[in-house]
Amino acid sequence: DSGVTQTPKHLITATGQRVTLRCSPRSGDLSVYWYQQSLDQGLQFLIQYYNGEERAKGNILERFSAQQFPDLHSELNLSSLELGDSALYFCASSGTGARDGYTFGSGTRLTVV
Amino acid sequence: QQPVQSPQAVILREGEDAVINCSSSKALYSVHWYRQKHGEAPVFLMILLKGGEQKGHDKISASFNEKKQQSSLYLTASQLSYSGTYFCGTEMDSSYKLIFGSGTRLLVRP
Repeated sequence: DSGVTQTPKHLITATGQRVTLRCSPRSGDLSVYWYQQSLDQGLQFLIQYYNGEERAKGNILERFSAQQFPDLHSELNLSSLELGDSALYFCASSGTGARDGYTFGSGTRLTVV
Repeated sequence: QQPVQSPQAVILREGEDAVINCSSSKALYSVHWYRQKHGEAPVFLMILLKGGEQKGHDKISASFNEKKQQSSLYLTASQLSYSGTYFCGTEMDSSYKLIFGSGTRLLVRP
């Protein structure tokens, strides 16, 4: 157990639907990152939050949004889902903005049918 | 902006050494290295910071050439457990974005 909790582990939904992925960071970590990994592909950076504020944005689609709550958990919302959105979505957390390594959660596997 | 990793894949016999390279066209603040086994989450191995500070594991070493914006990960006396895909992630100054390379697949055979 890495200390980063992601739910649900698996999600199957239809095109056009909306889903919410949840992430609880490791205790004490203020930064949360979201990454998308398509089948046998690399890790694509989506967005980062630090202590409730958006800090950096990557190639995140307009149909996707995220937020970090006062208790530091984060949610990634994916709407108007398309087949191409099927992927493994990882959340990671790190320490107080310093140059620490990331701790990844086990991921949410999203399948859009 | 995505770092370039080489080689794309490597096959080793147990006990052999390997070097994985990561290069960027932009000036870097830090380089991270992670290992991901199939179906699992990436696991942090090493971070190299501008200025030479290094944090990581005892059995894995790495270097960061700031002039060339290149990093190399050294795996010595490889074990079967070293098999997986190795990703480097690079961060530029004040970007707060860790951008990963496409990965290097490493297979260690008995």
